[in-house]
Amino acid sequence: SQQGEEDPQALSIQEGENATMNCSYKTSINNLQWYRQNSGRGLVHLILIRSNEREKHSGRLRVTLDTSKKSSSLLITASRAADTASYFCAKGQAGTALIFGKGTTLSVSS
Amino acid sequence: DSGVTQTPKHLITATGQRVTLRCSPRSGDLSVYWYQQSLDQGLQFLIHYYNGEERAKGNILERFSAQQFPDLHSELNLSSLELGDSALYFCASSVGDRGFSTEAFFGQGTRLTVV
Repeated sequence: SQQGEEDPQALSIQEGENATMNCSYKTSINNLQWYRQNSGRGLVHLILIRSNEREKHSGRLRVTLDTSKKSSSLLITASRAADTASYFCAKGQAGTALIFGKGTTLSVSS
Repeated sequence: DSGVTQTPKHLITATGQRVTLRCSPRSGDLSVYWYQQSLDQGLQFLIHYYNGEERAKGNILERFSAQQFPDLHSELNLSSLELGDSALYFCASSVGDRGFSTEAFFGQGTRLTVV
């Protein structure tokens, strides 16, 4: 079964708007990671948040983690057309491989 | 550029054939992971090697096998290919064997088309 299920599956917004994607998972984690994939290309690591952290920022990205609800969210502020991509969350745990959800497809139009 | 190199980028082959996909991890990374990405199944973890040893198996078919060589490059062998094996195959590398405690670096993938 998939660990790390993103919601929504697809999101369309205008440039300048914020985009929020959510991720739920089922079992305990060491960390949760977010990746971006441009169409047909390799995944690029965006941000890692550890299980003892609640919020993390990286440029226009903000990630929150609620371990009690087993959920995380990725906020992209002031979206640009170049942010158009698929975004995946993945559960990181020592000794196991990253397990990905099916991702959120973000479309930012100018 | 992630530092992970995958070859070939594209591969078209017929059903029943066998192919080999190659991955060179980032310099210094001992772990190599293989993933399959298809439209209906998403990103599926196939197998993990660390320093030449198999560490974990995911949803890897018996027709598929992999190995990691002493120079740390890895090969994924797909045999008796079926139409449903058409997908993007990614490898990723990381520093240690303790899973993805840090970020993973992905190659650009091999797009396999089985006709």
